[in-house]
Amino acid sequence: NAGVTQTPKFRILKIGQSMTLQCAQDMNHNYMYWYRQDPGMGLKLIYYSVGAGITDKGEVPNGYNVSRSTTEDFPLRLELAAPSQTSVYFCASSYSRSSNEQFFGPGTRLTVL
Amino acid sequence: EDQVTQSPEALRLQEGESSSLNCSYTVSGLRGLFWYRQDPGKGPEFLFTLYSAGEEKEKERLKATLTKKESFLHITAPKPEDSATYLCAVQAVGRDDKIIFGKGTRLHILP
Repeated sequence: NAGVTQTPKFRILKIGQSMTLQCAQDMNHNYMYWYRQDPGMGLKLIYYSVGAGITDKGEVPNGYNVSRSTTEDFPLRLELAAPSQTSVYFCASSYSRSSNEQFFGPGTRLTVL
Repeated sequence: EDQVTQSPEALRLQEGESSSLNCSYTVSGLRGLFWYRQDPGKGPEFLFTLYSAGEEKEKERLKATLTKKESFLHITAPKPEDSATYLCAVQAVGRDDKIIFGKGTRLHILP
């Protein structure tokens, strides 16, 4: 099993550009999550999904969109990149929402200039 | 307001020098408390889940304990390979069972 994979690993965007961060898991997990991690700060939940076709906002959803058309994939879309979105983005998955371990991907380091 | 605070922010120990990391939390209801390890440039790696006060979990040189207000991650006779950032997270009981992460403790073990 590859676990949780994320692409790209690094990306530099200009202000106003758009991009999609890809996330896939091969563990047949229903729950998937997107977090951002800023230096010296805790992980902040952006969006999560409890299954294909179902998504919900987390703590910091503004400026982002997600979709979940399959169990395996959970892409994160940035429509109009802003410097405040410079961060490291982690995708994670878990078997259930309640008190189960989350498996994290390796992260995407995004810089918006 | 639900909150998770980890201390210290950073800790340097000599190899073999045991110590503890602290995670104090304030939530309306606790569904679970998690410990993760994060190496530089990588995603967090799950270590433990604790559900109720008095519970303890062990893995190699690590032992996690839980009270009603805090959790400790005890590191016994650490080795340089234990150097990492240790993250604590709390899942609060509620409509969305939100998970709140602390800022982490950066642990450096000197050989």
